Amino acid sequence: DAMVIQNPRYQVTQFGKPVTLSCSQTLNHNVMYWYQQKSSQAPKLLFHYYDKDFNNEADTPDNFQSRRPNTSFCFLDIRSPGLGDAAMYLCATSRGFRDRGYEQYFGPGTRLTVT
Amino acid sequence: AQKVTQAQTEISVVEKEDVTLDCVYETRDTTYYLFWYKQPPSGELVFLIRRNSFDEQNEISGRYSWNFQKSTSSFNFTITASQVVDSAVYFCALRRTGANNLFFGTGTRLTVIP
Repeated sequence: DAMVIQNPRYQVTQFGKPVTLSCSQTLNHNVMYWYQQKSSQAPKLLFHYYDKDFNNEADTPDNFQSRRPNTSFCFLDIRSPGLGDAAMYLCATSRGFRDRGYEQYFGPGTRLTVT
Repeated sequence: AQKVTQAQTEISVVEKEDVTLDCVYETRDTTYYLFWYKQPPSGELVFLIRRNSFDEQNEISGRYSWNFQKSTSSFNFTITASQVVDSAVYFCALRRTGANNLFFGTGTRLTVIP
């Protein structure tokens, strides 16, 4: 089955220690997104890639970076995690015609704990 | 500006009851897209439906149905004969045409009691 895969499902990191979360997809979608979801809140978009074009949300902290080495993979790097960065991180993909409003398909998420 | 309001924070129903989840949206765009997602305890957001602003036909899929009314800017979701497996947080979302990001509502937590 075509799908969005996130690894690891659970990640524990120390305060200030860089961490990388990964996402891969077999849907061959050209848009990939990273969302942060804190407890009992709606997902919040951090950034997305439209093909190789990186689009950062205005309020995404500089501490969060992303890489997309190819169509299938996308990484979220948190350079110096703080306690406030503990959250579920969701990766999503969609087809990329902006005027068609295609739905996004989400991975299972990575729950990040910062100690 | 875009805004999605899900006024019901939590709903509890007894199994087999019908339940409607409300969604009201605000946008100045004439063309836009509306979505419903289900988030079970496992955490994965599951796509349920997409509707564009030009299509006001109601839709039924099994026990699920959606009522889109542009005149009241509402896109409500009804589950008929609810089951325990329907217990989840349900998010309504809006996407502007020409944009890639989704504006989510705050979600409604549905608990179906056996």
